[in-house]
Amino acid sequence: EAQVTQNPRYLITVTGKKLTVTCSQNMNHEYMSWYRQDPGLGLRQIYYSMNVEVTDKGDVPEGYKVSRKEKRNFPLILESPSPNQTSLYFCASSLHGTGGRTGELFFGEGSRLTVL
Amino acid sequence: GQQLNQSPQSMFIQEGEDVSMNCTSSSIFNTWLWYKQDPGEGPVLLIALYKAGELTSNGRLTAQFGITRKDSFLNISASIPSDVGIYFCAGQLPGSSNTGKLIFGQGTTLQVKP
Repeated sequence: EAQVTQNPRYLITVTGKKLTVTCSQNMNHEYMSWYRQDPGLGLRQIYYSMNVEVTDKGDVPEGYKVSRKEKRNFPLILESPSPNQTSLYFCASSLHGTGGRTGELFFGEGSRLTVL
Repeated sequence: GQQLNQSPQSMFIQEGEDVSMNCTSSSIFNTWLWYKQDPGEGPVLLIALYKAGELTSNGRLTAQFGITRKDSFLNISASIPSDVGIYFCAGQLPGSSNTGKLIFGQGTTLQVKP
């Protein structure tokens, strides 16, 4: 089954404790991206990757890091989480990388993160 | 930053009714997309539009890319209970296809009464 898998789905952590949210897709997609969803603010892009070893900042990259060492994986790293990073996070992928149509995204089920 | 104004914010309708929602912007977009999000899940793509004036259907759903390129609407005909969820419009500005950046509307929450 074609899917984007995120882990963990739910996490409660404390300020400053490094964490990683993993994302894996099995569709051989070139393009991957991370979004956060907050009430009243909608979905906002954090980072994106056009292909392996190619990553760039989205609209709200502060406090986050990413890496793309393999085509299928795109982990989101919070080096020192803070309460304002409490949010619902979505990883997404798209078949169409350099060919355009990068808006046609497959989303994961989301990871709800709470930072105390 | 860029914003999309999506309306209505919420709708509560009777099963069988038609539904219409729209998004507007002060900016021109090259791409309009409509997504649906069910509770506890990620958004799922419903329809993608790439040309001004384009009208596209997906089952009971119909979406149009506005002629001015600053708006789009989504219609759902003969609603059924499984149409319940949050519907998001999203747009890509010219030059954004290489970044994949989407600007999302705030969402329309649809509830259907059987």
